[in-house]
Amino acid sequence: RKEVEQDPGPFNVPEGATVAFNCTYSNSASQSFFWYRQDCRKEPKLLMSVYSSGNEDGRFTAQLNRASQYISLLIRDSKLSDSATYLCVASGSARQLTFGSGTQLTVLP
Amino acid sequence: DVKVTQSSRYLVKRTGEKVFLECVQDMDHENMFWYRQDPGLGLRLIYFSYDVKMKEKGDIPEGYSVSREKKERFSLILESASTNQTSMYLCASSFRGGDMAKLFFGSGTQLSVL
Repeated sequence: RKEVEQDPGPFNVPEGATVAFNCTYSNSASQSFFWYRQDCRKEPKLLMSVYSSGNEDGRFTAQLNRASQYISLLIRDSKLSDSATYLCVASGSARQLTFGSGTQLTVLP
Repeated sequence: DVKVTQSSRYLVKRTGEKVFLECVQDMDHENMFWYRQDPGLGLRLIYFSYDVKMKEKGDIPEGYSVSREKKERFSLILESASTNQTSMYLCASSFRGGDMAKLFFGSGTQLSVL
């Protein structure tokens, strides 16, 4: 079983839709969680951290459920520019960063 | 602006060649990383360095070595390249402190070993 699992997708949604991705992690000692975004043929870039109480950044909302060991990312009012692969990351330390394989999102006009 | 620079965007090498991948960061970060990214497997850590001349093996260190002689530079070495090392290689850096898991990546080197 992978340490961090994501639905690979692809998710194809129309502009303006709301889309949600989930990610599960197996290491209960993980302390920090993040979502990274990776555009086609580009490097991953940090999208947002995930806090226990949940956090929002504009159209993006991240949630953490420690009891069930999953994190989620919600994107509201999807834009064409949101098309990318979204990587879930769990961390116990710098050495113990574990990346999911990514969920591919395509926002259609 | 934060910058992690990898020396080559594309490389083509022959089996058995010694390959050097260079990475330089200008953010004074203590931590530097080498990952490889393959379809369906995600990012896998090859080596990690938390200080000059310090290194730790990651999840897949076999066939690789690293060098960190200066804080800003972290090199990945393939001693004898093999076809199964064809991959996208990504260098990253981060601070040692509370933001250690916030990585800044270089633009990657797509290595093909023929």
